Amino acid sequence: GAVVSQHPSWVICKSGTSVKIECRSLDFQATTMFWYRQFPKQSLMLMATSNEGSKATYEQGVEKDKFLINHASLTLSTLTVTSAHPEDSSFYICSANSGGTDTQYFGPGTRLTVL
Amino acid sequence: QQQVKQSPQSLIVQKGGISIINCAYENTAFDYFPWYQQFPGKGPALLIAIRPDVSEKKEGRFTISFNKSAKQFSLHIMDSQPGDSATYFCAAILRGAQKLVFGQGTRLTINP
Repeated sequence: GAVVSQHPSWVICKSGTSVKIECRSLDFQATTMFWYRQFPKQSLMLMATSNEGSKATYEQGVEKDKFLINHASLTLSTLTVTSAHPEDSSFYICSANSGGTDTQYFGPGTRLTVL
Repeated sequence: QQQVKQSPQSLIVQKGGISIINCAYENTAFDYFPWYQQFPGKGPALLIAIRPDVSEKKEGRFTISFNKSAKQFSLHIMDSQPGDSATYFCAAILRGAQKLVFGQGTRLTINP
C-alpha cells in the first residue's frame, strides 16, 4: 500500500514553455501533498505544501507565480512550471500523507530538462 | 534550530559489515524521525521511523538508535550488501507540523 505515482517520469522542453507534472496517491487519500526539488548530489528542498481544496503554502524563496500548484482532489496534485528556463532543470519529487499520520510517501520523481 | 545535521557525507563499507549513519538535531519539538533510502533517479523510500519515546527500533537488518538526551539518532545497517548502496537521508518532523526537515544525505557504497 501507500503508493504515489508521478507523471511524466522525465520531460524535456524548450525555454519559455510551461510543463505540468502530476502526482497521484494510488491507494490512499492524500489530505496533504508536498513538492520538492532536488539538485544532483544534494538533499531534497521543500518547495510547497498543498492541502486538498486550499491554496498551496510556498516556502520562502519559491516563486508562487512560477511554480503553480493545484490540489483539486484527495488523490491528485499538479505542479506547473511556467515559462521554464534552463535553471529550472531539476528533479521534482512529490510526497503525500493521509490525515492523522506523520508518514510521507514519495513519488518516483520527474526529471525536468529545459533547453 | 530547525536543522538536522547528518554525517558522514559519504561512507564506504565492505560487504557484510555494519554501516552507521548519524544525525543530530537541536529542536526538542521534533517528535518523528524517519529514514529514507534513495537510489539514483528515484524518489526516496521510507525505510524505518522512530519516535523519541523509544530508544531503539529494528526492522530486519535496519536499526534506529535514538538518544533523546543527546538529541542524536543513528541508522545501523547490519550485514551490509551491495544492494544497500544508495543515498540515505534522515529527517524529522516538528510536533503538530507536517513538513519534513531533511539531513544532508549520506552516500553509502558497499564494496563486494
